[in-house]
Amino acid sequence: LAKTTQPISMDSYEGQEVNITCSHNNIATNDYITWYQQFPSQGPRFIIQGYKTKVTNEVASLFIPADRKSSTLSLPRVSLSDTAVYYCLVGDPIYNQGGKLIFGQGTELSVKP
Amino acid sequence: DTGVSQDPRHKITKRGQNVTFRCDPISEHNRLYWYRQTLGQGPEFLTYFQNEAQLEKSRLLSDRFSAERPKGSFSTLEIQRTEQGDSAMYLCASSSMTGRLGNEQFFGPGTRLTVL
Repeated sequence: LAKTTQPISMDSYEGQEVNITCSHNNIATNDYITWYQQFPSQGPRFIIQGYKTKVTNEVASLFIPADRKSSTLSLPRVSLSDTAVYYCLVGDPIYNQGGKLIFGQGTELSVKP
Repeated sequence: DTGVSQDPRHKITKRGQNVTFRCDPISEHNRLYWYRQTLGQGPEFLTYFQNEAQLEKSRLLSDRFSAERPKGSFSTLEIQRTEQGDSAMYLCASSSMTGRLGNEQFFGPGTRLTVL
């Protein structure tokens, strides 16, 4: 399973764009990159998933360079409510050992007013 | 609310006691997962079911832990002879193999266990 490395913590201010980068040098051909968000005292919540180039949804964008050895989660114009831990996961979403998720330590994002 | 539910939300017990947690997944989801999360760490996989079959158990799941999903719907996780090291948040998640995205998992709010 590809190991991921991401910053332990980040600080931002309301209205700013936040980019969280995740390194996954050993990503395999069949692996997808998935990001989850977790608020205190809640379970994680799926944000976005991608394989290559750029994926955008109503919440975030995910940028994946051609070599796929890293990815960047972009949160536009963050608000206080975006304060959470963000996890980058890499794996084959269907066949990877039953689809279990392997979480790292995540990035704790703190948004200040 | 059609999300994943867990009961109880909080459980305080004394060392050596048995505890049981329940998870009700999203009704049409055939996969159900249990994770454990300690403070400052990401969730760790414990076990998962596809329908009523338990297909994988982590090495974290000692003999004191047992999980069931008798009819392929709700699941229970039992911890026997609890130890202080069992104190954690126990998270349940469910997913559908036929979902739009590969195995997007929907998590419940968790059961926080404190062993005194």
